[in-house]
Parts: sequence; structure tokens; C-alpha cells
Amino acid sequence: GAVVSQHPSRVICKSGTSVKIECRSLDFQATTMFWYRQFPKQSLMLMATSNEGSKATYEQGVEKDKFLINHASLTLSTLTVTSAHPEDSSFYICSAREQEESYNSPLHFGNGTRLTVT
Amino acid sequence: AQKVTQAQTEISVVEKEDVTLDCVYETRDTTYYLFWYKQPPSGELVFLIRRNSFDEQNEISGRYSWNFQKSTSSFNFTITASQVVDSAVYFCALSEAGNYGQNFVFGPGTRLSVLP
Repeated sequence: GAVVSQHPSRVICKSGTSVKIECRSLDFQATTMFWYRQFPKQSLMLMATSNEGSKATYEQGVEKDKFLINHASLTLSTLTVTSAHPEDSSFYICSAREQEESYNSPLHFGNGTRLTVT
Repeated sequence: AQKVTQAQTEISVVEKEDVTLDCVYETRDTTYYLFWYKQPPSGELVFLIRRNSFDEQNEISGRYSWNFQKSTSSFNFTITASQVVDSAVYFCALSEAGNYGQNFVFGPGTRLSVLP
């Protein structure tokens, strides 16, 4: 089945630094990828939709200058948390559809990145 | 607006017991898709099943079964003879065709603990 790879799985950084998270579709191409954030014991919240070759679409309340998204190729999207602060500590997870034209195609998720900002 | 409710926040069962996880959804679309995902302690999300709004047949896959009832807008998930490895958070999700499926709306999740 479709595989989405996310890296790194865990990262600890100091407050004020930036962190880049990569999301790759390994055996399929994805013009659209989705980035979610999950707080402890809570559900997944869609942060933004990453579009290959164009600007990402951010959900209401998500700071686009804080969470920079780049979708430079059909298999890679990156999320950069800029000037990270402790409140940015969370579990970030990306996803993509193997069959993008089919809205019944399930989302395949990466393994997630647990970010801890100290 | 689309919405997914999972009323059970946490469930604990003893191994070999059967357990049903409830999911109730709201949508104005006539065409939509429902999904279940499993999130084990390691964090990754594992796709379990999808069901479209026109197919109300129940489905069984090993110890897992799903009951889709459009009349009550429910898509419940039953694990038979539960095992410790079933311990995870389970999410029900809804995707509306009218939104070109761009958004998945996830329920809040049900944390299942299966005790040995």
C-alpha cells in the first residue's frame, strides 16, 4: 500500500530556533499533502494543505509565518516551525492520498514528528 | 457543517472481551465517506476501513467489524475477543464528496485499553 515517510520522528530544540520536518510519499506522487497537529490526548487538527508548485492553504488561526510549508516536488513537502517556542511543542503529522482524484481514497499518514521545544 | 462525535473518551476492557466503539456523524452531503483509523502508542495512524454513504452493508475483517446505519448516522466499530495489542486510540473520520475530500474531519478519538 501507499507509504508516507516523515522525518524526523522526534526532535528537541531550543526556544528561538527553527525546525524542519519532511514528509515524503514513497511510492506515489502527491500534488497535495496535509499537515496536522495533535495535542496530547486530543484529536488531529488540520493545519494546512500543501500544494505542489503553489502556496499552501492554511486553516483559520494557523500562523503562516510561523509554520512555513514548502511543496517543492511531487513527493516532498516540508513544514518548518520558525522561531519555535515551548507552546509549539506538539505532535505533527503529515498525510497524502494515493489517488488524489478519488475522494474516497483514504489518507495515508506519516509516522509523525514529536517536537519538544525547551 | 460536517462533524464527527465519538462519545466514549476512554474504554477499558479485559482481554477477550468484545468492545464496540461508537461514531456518530453529521453531514449535509448525500455522498460522503467514513473511515476508521487506529493510533497505537507509537503515534502513527493506521487506516482500518472506509465506507461510502451508499453502501450500508456491514463489514467484517477478522476480529474487526463495522456497522454502518445511515438512519442513525452511525458507523460503529466492534472488536471481538479483544487483545492487548488492540490498545490504542481509535479515530472515526468523515470526508464529504462535495468538498472534493480535501478535508478529513476527525472525531475526538476513543482511547481503548485492553488489560491482560
